[in-house]
Amino acid sequence: QKEVEQDPGPLSVPEGAIVSLNCTYSNSAFQYFMWYRQYSRKGPELLMYTYSSGNKEDGRFTAQVDKSSKYISLFIRDSQPSDSATYLCAMSAPRNDMRFGAGTRLTVKP
Amino acid sequence: ETGVTQTPRHLVMGMTNKKSLKCEQHLGHNAMYWYKQSAKKPLELMFVYNFKEQTENNSVPSRFSPECPNSSHLFLHLHTLQPEDSALYLCASSQGTGADTQYFGPGTRLTVL
Repeated sequence: QKEVEQDPGPLSVPEGAIVSLNCTYSNSAFQYFMWYRQYSRKGPELLMYTYSSGNKEDGRFTAQVDKSSKYISLFIRDSQPSDSATYLCAMSAPRNDMRFGAGTRLTVKP
Repeated sequence: ETGVTQTPRHLVMGMTNKKSLKCEQHLGHNAMYWYKQSAKKPLELMFVYNFKEQTENNSVPSRFSPECPNSSHLFLHLHTLQPEDSALYLCASSQGTGADTQYFGPGTRLTVL
């Protein structure tokens, strides 16, 4: 079983849709959870950072962590064409290196 | 994006060539990383340097050789690569290691013929 599982997609939605991106993981020691966004021909950039379980909201983006299910989600409300990118989940245990998912490629069509 | 720079952005090399990738960070961070990104695969951590000391080598073949002369610069020396080494090579830096936020460069797109 992979340590972090993420469906690579691709995922295509119309503008204005609510997007749900997900990752599952197997290591119960993970406590720090991140979402990175990677535009074409660019490096990943941090979008959301969450510690332990719960929700975090930032504008149109909401990150959720369910440690009991080993499941994390990123929701994008009112999606825009500028949200078209690859979204990577990442997580780490204390004092351990980060582990990344494969990334989900998202296209938001006008 | 200018916080971490990488050169060259694109590189095509034959299997017998020797080349080097360069990374520079302007963020005052202490840790630097090399990752390999292949299509539909998770980012693969290759090397970690913390305060110029290598702290991790993730079973990377010896045809990849890192060098970290100071906390701001990181190199990846390439020698006798294979076609399956073709990928996007990303450099990142962070204040410390572990869960500290990593800042990525734009990557070097490497093609091995």
